[in-house]
Amino acid sequence: QVQLQESGPGLVTPSETLSLTCTVSGYSISTGYYWGWIRQPPGKGLEWIGGIYHSGNTYYNPSLRSRVTISVDTSKNQFSLKVSSVTAADTAVYYCARWSYGGFYDFDWWGQGALVTVSS
Amino acid sequence: EIVLTQSPGTLSLSPGERATLSCRASQSLSNTYLAWYQHRPGQAPRLLIYGASTRAIGISDRFSGSGSGTDFTLTISRLEPEDFAVYYCQQYGSSLTFGPGTKVDIK
Repeated sequence: QVQLQESGPGLVTPSETLSLTCTVSGYSISTGYYWGWIRQPPGKGLEWIGGIYHSGNTYYNPSLRSRVTISVDTSKNQFSLKVSSVTAADTAVYYCARWSYGGFYDFDWWGQGALVTVSS
Repeated sequence: EIVLTQSPGTLSLSPGERATLSCRASQSLSNTYLAWYQHRPGQAPRLLIYGASTRAIGISDRFSGSGSGTDFTLTISRLEPEDFAVYYCQQYGSSLTFGPGTKVDIK
């Protein structure tokens, strides 16, 4: 079965860059599928951030595109998220997931989530 | 951007009852790329339904999805204790969005 695990700092200073990594096990990123990031601010719903293919092709939420970079490291079976110039509004639980882009565009396997707080 | 509206916001039911959750899209989803997820507190969201009506692997047949165009429904035939959670719909059109969620809680 596919397993995903988010990792990274739980506290980020305003105006700095948030960085998270998702480590995938049980499935090789290079085999296929896209790999995505979704977040959930406290007390709010889910927001799609973007996704990446093992080739490096990316898709981003237009509302976040200017501040977000998603990258992939197939040698480590990992993909990563960077959000620049963060504010308190970026405080959220960040999930990584496998994305069926080109199929039915659903997320079929998810990580447990990582809480990131933006505060000085 | 396609906006999804879910109703009701909260559904209070008893175990064994039937739950009917609605998801409405601001534009027609011509390719029916509509999914449903269950989200329990402190856990990862779980895919229930994709393509509007296909159950994901390992999902109980108590869960069923239907609909097309702009109106979609998730039905839970007989609520079990573990079904009390928040349910989200998600679409992919020109971009990808989630609905605001329906909380199913115990009456």
